[in-house]
Amino acid sequence: GAGVSQTPSNKVTEKGKYVELRCDPISGHTALYWYRQSLGQGPEFLIYFQGTGAADDSGLPNDRFFAVRPEGSVSTLKIQRTERGDSAVYLCASSPGGGVDTQYFGPGTRLTVL
Amino acid sequence: KQEVTQIPAALSVPEGENLVLNCSFTDSAIYNLQWFRQDPGKGLTSLLLIQSSQREQTSGRLNASLDKSSGRSTLYIAASQPGDSATYLCALLQTGANNLFFGTGTRLTVIP
Repeated sequence: GAGVSQTPSNKVTEKGKYVELRCDPISGHTALYWYRQSLGQGPEFLIYFQGTGAADDSGLPNDRFFAVRPEGSVSTLKIQRTERGDSAVYLCASSPGGGVDTQYFGPGTRLTVL
Repeated sequence: KQEVTQIPAALSVPEGENLVLNCSFTDSAIYNLQWFRQDPGKGLTSLLLIQSSQREQTSGRLNASLDKSSGRSTLYIAASQPGDSATYLCALLQTGANNLFFGTGTRLTVIP
């Protein structure tokens, strides 16, 4: 079946603007993760959803970052008042049940803040 | 806090060579360790997953080993090909955690 998809693939915005990044997980997967990958670094965890609720948001860097998953499927990562340091590739992953289940990654959204 | 290090950061080898990528970690309380491949503009592709109770896993030309006591894992690639050129990431699932901890990656270039 279809894998994890993310839109847009690229997003260029200006400092101070608001952006939304979308993730469509594999159908039926209850767990969804957001990671951020800066240039030359490995992905870093942001937030984990189990169903509709954020089970672990300890990786969100500050209160400008927020994510939702209202129906337990699609998730949106929202960034307010973007800063140049927010420029990175934002990766989404889903897994059947979370915990030790294998995570399947999407292609990512490359965010550039000018 | 778990720290995951990959050495070298970049590696260039001629086609046909065997090579080893290294991953070290500071906290041995892990559930499993996974090696991923990342191509430019693409997501992560899982290559091998080793459970904490295992010592190694093999898939085709790839062999991954795990030594929890020393906090090390290696990815061995036999008879390298230009199509193996990519960034290779190791990632740990710590006991009791939900998210993966990633290393910084090794960028491999196989020269024809």
